[in-house]
Amino acid sequence: GENVEQHPSTLSVQEGDSAVIKCTYSDSASNYFPWYKQELGKGPQLIIDIRSNVGEKKDQRIAVTLNKTAKHFSLHITETQPEDSAVYFCAASMVDTGGFKTIFGAGTRLFVKA
Amino acid sequence: DAGVTQSPTHLIKTRGQHVTLRCSPISGHKSVSWYQQVLGQGPQFIFQYYEKEERGRGNFPDRFSARQFPNYSSELNVNALLLGDSALYLCASSLTRAGMDSPLHFGNGTRLTVT
Repeated sequence: GENVEQHPSTLSVQEGDSAVIKCTYSDSASNYFPWYKQELGKGPQLIIDIRSNVGEKKDQRIAVTLNKTAKHFSLHITETQPEDSAVYFCAASMVDTGGFKTIFGAGTRLFVKA
Repeated sequence: DAGVTQSPTHLIKTRGQHVTLRCSPISGHKSVSWYQQVLGQGPQFIFQYYEKEERGRGNFPDRFSARQFPNYSSELNVNALLLGDSALYLCASSLTRAGMDSPLHFGNGTRLTVT
């Protein structure tokens, strides 16, 4: 079945450093890759997404890259700040019967030390 | 604009009971998806509803059911509760059937504890 693997499970960086989270997916029919940030007590919030026909997308300090051949996609956060501390989830969406299915990775807990 | 709202925020039930969770989507969104998030894991897909019809189902037993109403709000029902059903239940709405042109917008979830 469909699967999304995410690494690392925990990441600790110093404020101002960069953080990179990597994911792989199994279903080659996946065509949309969103990233979510989840803070304590809240639901996941979409922070950036990328479509299968795009290799890279950037939004201020956040960038995502996609390698469809290798089925890899990554999240890059530059100039990290303490408020970036949260759990980050990658996801892959694919067509399912009558609609779309979004499969999530297990999450990366990011700690940004001031 | 109001985001996705879920009720109740917390719930404690006993094994064998049933539970109903409710979700109101963002105004104008016609699709609602339900996810289960066990502590320390990513959300697991349960159901997707679009225009009041089931459009997708994850690998969950028949004890789990859902429906979508004409105003696009939704209910998730779980019968014969098990201890393993304890989790955060997330509702997400999207403009259309969720995909590249219609990302998921999540509520803050209902924390269900089964004792």
